[in-house]
Amino acid sequence: GAGVSQSPSNKVTEKGKDVELRCDPISGHTALYWYRQSLGQGLEFLIYFQGNSAPDKSGLPSDRFSAERTGGSVSTLTIQRTQQEDSAVYLCASSSLTSGGPMADEQFFGPGTRLTVL
Amino acid sequence: DQQVKQNSPSLSVQEGRISILNCDYTNSMFDYFLWYKKYPAEGPTFLISISSIKDKNEDGRFTVFLNKSAKHLSLHIVPSQPGDSAVYFCAATFTGTASKLTFGTGTRLQVTL
Repeated sequence: GAGVSQSPSNKVTEKGKDVELRCDPISGHTALYWYRQSLGQGLEFLIYFQGNSAPDKSGLPSDRFSAERTGGSVSTLTIQRTQQEDSAVYLCASSSLTSGGPMADEQFFGPGTRLTVL
Repeated sequence: DQQVKQNSPSLSVQEGRISILNCDYTNSMFDYFLWYKKYPAEGPTFLISISSIKDKNEDGRFTVFLNKSAKHLSLHIVPSQPGDSAVYFCAATFTGTASKLTFGTGTRLQVTL
């Protein structure tokens, strides 16, 4: 497809279970970002990938959160032992900006995955 | 620490009038600012941006103003249309790196007939 896609669109899980969220960025975009939006909050940065490496993981809230990117394309965000405070919309974005570029580039967002932890 | 703040959670404007959405930031290192629009159940979409070397950027009905000394930016929409009803997020970042965006909490704009 032409845009960023994410799956699943909705995920309901029980506290303590692990979840995997997937992001397919726009083809050719080297930069990939994960954000989350909790109820009543703005978008909160989680992690940034340039290619397959993650130079900025500063937003991951705990060691229960991890992410990987393979082939410079698809990324998976994994949350282990989910807690109720993990409930949020998880958004993925991609951009064509390469590291060291002269200007911050527009980030294109996917529709998000709504995670509900019961 | 909220580095980007949108103090008005909601705004209602009549169709045809001007909508003004405000945003304040605290980190003086930010040098690039963006506005995103978000409809329900969709991801945010880019609207307009401005570099800190400018104080105004215009794109059709949308104009962003930047006041660096006050660490304040605003988005003007004129004339407002019902299709503009959405949540608007202000975001800030640093140029020169593929840096994360720091977002405000959003302002819900309702354009009434």
